[in-house]
Amino acid sequence: DTAVSQTPKYLVTQMGNDKSIKCEQNLGHDTMYWYKQDSKKFLKIMFSYNNKELIINETVPNRFSPKSPDKAHLNLHINSLELGDSAVYFCASSPLGDTQYFGPGTRLTVL
Amino acid sequence: TQLLEQSPQFLSIQEGENLTVYCNSSSVFSSLQWYRQEPGEGPVLLVTVVTGGEVKKLKRLTFQFGDARKDSSLHITAAQPGDTGLYLCAGPALKTSYDKVIFGPGTSLSVIP
Repeated sequence: DTAVSQTPKYLVTQMGNDKSIKCEQNLGHDTMYWYKQDSKKFLKIMFSYNNKELIINETVPNRFSPKSPDKAHLNLHINSLELGDSAVYFCASSPLGDTQYFGPGTRLTVL
Repeated sequence: TQLLEQSPQFLSIQEGENLTVYCNSSSVFSSLQWYRQEPGEGPVLLVTVVTGGEVKKLKRLTFQFGDARKDSSLHITAAQPGDTGLYLCAGPALKTSYDKVIFGPGTSLSVIP
């Protein structure tokens, strides 16, 4: 069984489009995260939810909107995509806010 | 601002060689973690070190937490091609009311057969 899953694995789209990435975890963790990994492999936190409540919102453009329908799911919607949004986006979950269990990543390419 | 620095940024070695990668900060961390990320995958936790001076071994990998809890090292003995990947150190952010983990920029290791 996959612990943290993301869909899609790859996403190629045009500038200005709106897209969503979905994440699900079956580990029973209360906390979920979205990270962005840029071309230099630097991993930066974007958002964190604890039991459906937003607890971390780093300085991310408001074109990015996370939504957590329940504590096992955390989706990321991106409006008006820009070239600079191209990156790998990782979903993660954590039982106590320390050890991060990552999904396989979604590689977003904006043309 | 808490920051984690890692060195070297890139490392390419022959199979069988030994290597050490470093993770440093000017801030004290209550614990540090090491993750390995293989190409096309998400990072996977290798170890967590909690006590200053602590040494943990995981087969050919030896992890050490500095006495002052500001740095850590990862030593690999007799590297194998399967060790290839991005090694990330991470630690919990202090002085926050929520759980946040800070990651270093990573060391990209390539082990050549």
